[in-house]
Amino acid sequence: GQSLEQPSEVTAVEGAIVQINCTYQTSGFYGLSWYQQHDGGAPTFLSYNALDGLEETGRFSSFLSRSDSYGYLLLQELQMKDSASYFCAVRSPDSNYQLIWGAGTKLIIKP
Amino acid sequence: DAGVIQSPRHEVTEMGQEVTLRCKPISGHDYLFWYRQTMMRGLELLIYFNNNVPIDDSGMPEDRFSAKMPNASFSTLKIQPSEPRDSAVYFCASMTGGKNQPQHFGDGTRLSIL
Repeated sequence: GQSLEQPSEVTAVEGAIVQINCTYQTSGFYGLSWYQQHDGGAPTFLSYNALDGLEETGRFSSFLSRSDSYGYLLLQELQMKDSASYFCAVRSPDSNYQLIWGAGTKLIIKP
Repeated sequence: DAGVIQSPRHEVTEMGQEVTLRCKPISGHDYLFWYRQTMMRGLELLIYFNNNVPIDDSGMPEDRFSAKMPNASFSTLKIQPSEPRDSAVYFCASMTGGKNQPQHFGDGTRLSIL
């Protein structure tokens, strides 16, 4: 079967750096995505990694190691508005367009 | 550009009533997904369409749930009869084909069945 594991909650301080990890088990792999969801809001796309290495988009970076079935989302210069849930997701081996979702990591930022 | 549009934003109804949720995908997107989100079960895929054709409905919880996509710009998710355990946030998402393409979500419908 397919599964993803990520911590349920992470706490960090405003201005700091935080890393949210995701490990996956899938029978095939087509890329790791990250989505952000604020309370009461909709998931919004953050990043996608198909190959090993680091992808940087402003304060957010995402890393993938296919040999370790592992990825992480790195958030720098944390702001209070970054308080949200973060989901990792992989494309289903049965369908390139269907996503299998992690349970989400709630990021709590303290001033 | 207009995003994915869902209606209603909130729905409160009594058990046994029929509920219809609506979704307008982003123009040009040929994939449409219906999700349900609860605290207990997280984000669950119910069904998805490609070019208006249902591809996988294995996530539909039971035959009380049905979904249609009569054309490229409209889809409905219907629950009949509704039950309190159907209370959740229902999201619609759309995307274009292509392995690197993200899913774009609507604002969701918060459904409460009393």
